[in-house]
Amino acid sequence: AQSVAQPEDQVNVAEGNPLTVKCTYSVSGNPYLFWYVQYPNRGLQFLLKYITGDNLVKGSYGFEAEFNKSQTSFHLKKPSALVSDSALYFCAVRDGGSGNTPLVFGKGTRLSVIA
Amino acid sequence: GAVVSQHPSWVICKSGTSVKIECRSLDFQATTMFWYRQFPKQSLMLMATSNEGSKATYEQGVEKDKFLINHASLTLSTLTVTSAHPEDSSFYICSARGAAGGSTQYFGPGTRLTVL
Repeated sequence: AQSVAQPEDQVNVAEGNPLTVKCTYSVSGNPYLFWYVQYPNRGLQFLLKYITGDNLVKGSYGFEAEFNKSQTSFHLKKPSALVSDSALYFCAVRDGGSGNTPLVFGKGTRLSVIA
Repeated sequence: GAVVSQHPSWVICKSGTSVKIECRSLDFQATTMFWYRQFPKQSLMLMATSNEGSKATYEQGVEKDKFLINHASLTLSTLTVTSAHPEDSSFYICSARGAAGGSTQYFGPGTRLTVL
């Protein structure tokens, strides 16, 4: 079985400062890792994914994430936060070696960027 | 990225009635579609997985007779909430994926269902 942990319910950061949203995962096979962002009363928007290749993945809106196999982590980062980045962020994983499996989501982390 | 639409975006119905929610992949063929349910300030809970032309696979605890899923084509899946009750009020989100493997799951904008 696969699972995702997002240890922080809420992350607060000042505008212009770097931000990190943490994610750790558990999967039996090869991890396919994803980050999504959700704005109020909206669906999820895809930010980035790691399937294979470089451990540092760059995605939309200046976000990036680093895959760390030894720590089973996939933390989301951005060098300089914007107020418009304030939203709910979900980390998700699926077992890449198990065919057509669905994504399993973490509980979400609410990011608040303060001007 | 790929676009997934849902209709309606919100619906209010009386208890005991049935509600159908449509999910369409607009610019790609979705071999697999997923239906999620999200309660306020909580994560997405997978309800079922459907492959085009096959019966949906429901997660444990999800009543298949209450939440009817039809995936009739590669671009359309429907979720029908039958005999809706107030406890079915929730935010329902569909997701679609193209080819198997590393293909990204794209999400619809969600449907807010309120059962009075």
